[in-house]
Amino acid sequence: AQSVAQPEDQVNVAEGNPLTVKCTYSVSGNPYLFWYVQYPNRGLQFLLKYITGDNLVKGSYGFEAEFNKSQTSFHLKKPSALVSDSALYFCAVRGASGGSYIPTFGRGTSLIVHP
Amino acid sequence: DTAVSQTPKYLVTQMGNDKSIKCEQNLGHDTMYWYKQDSKKFLKIMFSYNNKELIINETVPNRFSPKSPDKAHLNLHINSLELGDSAVYFCASSQGPRTRGFNEKLFFGSGTQLSVL
Repeated sequence: AQSVAQPEDQVNVAEGNPLTVKCTYSVSGNPYLFWYVQYPNRGLQFLLKYITGDNLVKGSYGFEAEFNKSQTSFHLKKPSALVSDSALYFCAVRGASGGSYIPTFGRGTSLIVHP
Repeated sequence: DTAVSQTPKYLVTQMGNDKSIKCEQNLGHDTMYWYKQDSKKFLKIMFSYNNKELIINETVPNRFSPKSPDKAHLNLHINSLELGDSAVYFCASSQGPRTRGFNEKLFFGSGTQLSVL
C-alpha cells in the first residue's frame, strides 16, 4: 500500500525567510509525487508534480520541490516566504502499477508565515 | 466559470436522514473522485469513478453510494446519516482514464461541509 508522511503538523516561518515543508513517501515502483495547497474554505489547488527527470521541480507561486529517491522524500521549498503563503499544504503520491493510481494524501502541514 | 462545482456548499441535517451531494466538472475529464476531509484535515479517498468503473474504498460504509449519470457528474448519496459523517467532502477530477492517469493532477471542488446533528 502506498502512503505519505508529513511529519510536521505546523511550520512557522518569518516573511522573507526560506521555508521547507517535509514529505516522505512509500510506494511500489516509481512514484508520482504532488504538492497541493488548500486555502481556508477552499478546495485543494495543484502546486507542482514530479514524474521523472530533474530532481528539482518548479511549480506555482515560486514553490519548488526536491525529489530524493534514496531518502524517499519530496520536500516543498520556497526561497522567500510571503504572508500570503500561509495555508495548508498536502503532499500526495501515486504509484505506477498495481492499481495504485488513486492518489494518497498526507495529513497536511499548516504553514504560517509571520509578518 | 468553475471547473469542478459541488452543491450544496453547506449541509446541516439530523441523524438518520438521507442526503445527496452533487458534483459536476466541465473539464472533459474521464475520472472523478470523492474525498473526505475530517476535522483534523486528513484527506481520505472514498471513491474513484472512471468510464463506468467504480473503485470503492473498503473502509467506506455502504451507506455511502456514488452515482454517475455521465462522466461529467459524480454524485454522492448518503443514507442514515451518523454523527461521524460530519466532515468536508471534496469532489475532484483528473483528465485521463485509469491507464494513463498516473501523472495527472487533480482538480478539486470547493467542498461541501456536512454537519450531522
